[in-house]
Amino acid sequence: DVKVTQSSRYLVKRTGEKVFLECVQDMDHENMFWYRQDPGLGLRLIYFSYDVKMKEKGDIPEGYSVSREKKERFSLILESASTNQTSMYLCASSLSRQGVVGYTFGSGTRLTVV
Amino acid sequence: QQQVKQSPQSLIVQKGGISIINCAYENTAFDYFPWYQQFPGKGPALLIAIRPDVSEKKEGRFTISFNKSAKQFSLHIMDSQPGDSATYFCAASNSRGSQGNLIFGKGTKLSVKP
Repeated sequence: DVKVTQSSRYLVKRTGEKVFLECVQDMDHENMFWYRQDPGLGLRLIYFSYDVKMKEKGDIPEGYSVSREKKERFSLILESASTNQTSMYLCASSLSRQGVVGYTFGSGTRLTVV
Repeated sequence: QQQVKQSPQSLIVQKGGISIINCAYENTAFDYFPWYQQFPGKGPALLIAIRPDVSEKKEGRFTISFNKSAKQFSLHIMDSQPGDSATYFCAASNSRGSQGNLIFGKGTKLSVKP
């Protein structure tokens, strides 16, 4: 069963900590995405990547960075966690071929920063 | 012009009723319109999708209606069931674009009362 796996379902971190959220996909997809989901705000794109070592800023990149050293793995990094980064974080992947745009999402990581 | 506007934000329907969620877009280059369904604690999953060469697509109790001239599309859930209670996201993309990123609406929380 093909899937996107996020390493943690729940995380609690302290303000100022460096936080790593990991995402792995087994579908050989070129594209990977990180979103945060907050009530009433929907899915907001943080960063995305079209290829290994490539990254592009999404709509809300401030306070975040990403790393993609291998095709199947895309990491989201909170350099210095703050309480306003408490949220649900969703990873997704997709094929890059034109006309094929369906995303597969992971189950999410609910991060609480205290 | 990249926005997708979704309404309503929340919806309560009686069991057996029809649930209707609406979305509107501005970018005429969009040519792929999926709907995603998200249950609590899970990531969004592709439910049904349509391309603008047809005005309607039906899969079981779920139907997408598409109005190209009005730049609107909607999801109809017939004979709504409590198990349909979830958050629904519409989305749009230009699949002929360089990578075809999906642009998501803000979501509709559907509650179906028994």
